[in-house]
Amino acid sequence: KAGVTQTPRYLIKTRGQQVTLSCSPISGHRSVSWYQQTPGQGLQFLFEYFSETQRNKGNFPGRFSGRQFSNSRSEMNVSTLELGDSALYLCASSRGLAGPNNEQFFGPGTRLTVL
Amino acid sequence: AQSVTQLDSHVSVSEGTPVLLRCNYSSSYSPSLFWYVQHPNKGLQLLLKYTSAATLVKGINGFEAEFKKSETSFHLTKPSAHMSDAAEYFCVVSSYMDTGRRALTFGSGTRLQVQP
Repeated sequence: KAGVTQTPRYLIKTRGQQVTLSCSPISGHRSVSWYQQTPGQGLQFLFEYFSETQRNKGNFPGRFSGRQFSNSRSEMNVSTLELGDSALYLCASSRGLAGPNNEQFFGPGTRLTVL
Repeated sequence: AQSVTQLDSHVSVSEGTPVLLRCNYSSSYSPSLFWYVQHPNKGLQLLLKYTSAATLVKGINGFEAEFKKSETSFHLTKPSAHMSDAAEYFCVVSSYMDTGRRALTFGSGTRLQVQP
């Protein structure tokens, strides 16, 4: 069974631009969560989508948004990029809402560099 | 509110010796606790989880962790380190907030080095 895939794996953008990252969950998984990983802040939860609805949200500004399609694939968008947005963005999928009884499976991440 | 503290940012052991990665947590509600491992340029992989059943939890690759409520700890151990264990390890706490929403908090990570 194919794992979680994220595209692209690497991305370079300049300040002020916007970017869209994509995540395809494991087949049969309906929940997709997004995380930002930086050396300074560590791993931080961005948001979780289930059945095309945002079910959970972390403490990030409105420049960070996402959506989920009917096939459970998800996209994350960051507008007006800042240098501090440079990070590894991880996507994770689970059958149901992520929690103790629904293990999350992580993708390899998209490394975003903002110049 | 909840938080996770991984007490060591780096741990170095020799191959074949025991591994101890320390994690303390705080949570207003009964938490679930997890350990994840991240190898370079890879996503996170679940090692083990505690969900209010047995306090000693066994995971993959010979790792185990013990939930100690009185000490608010969830330390990860392995009797004998292998070179392939070199990676970054994250302790994670999950519980429901007053809002009814689940919050997931990651520790800052511990980088494990294994010397030959």
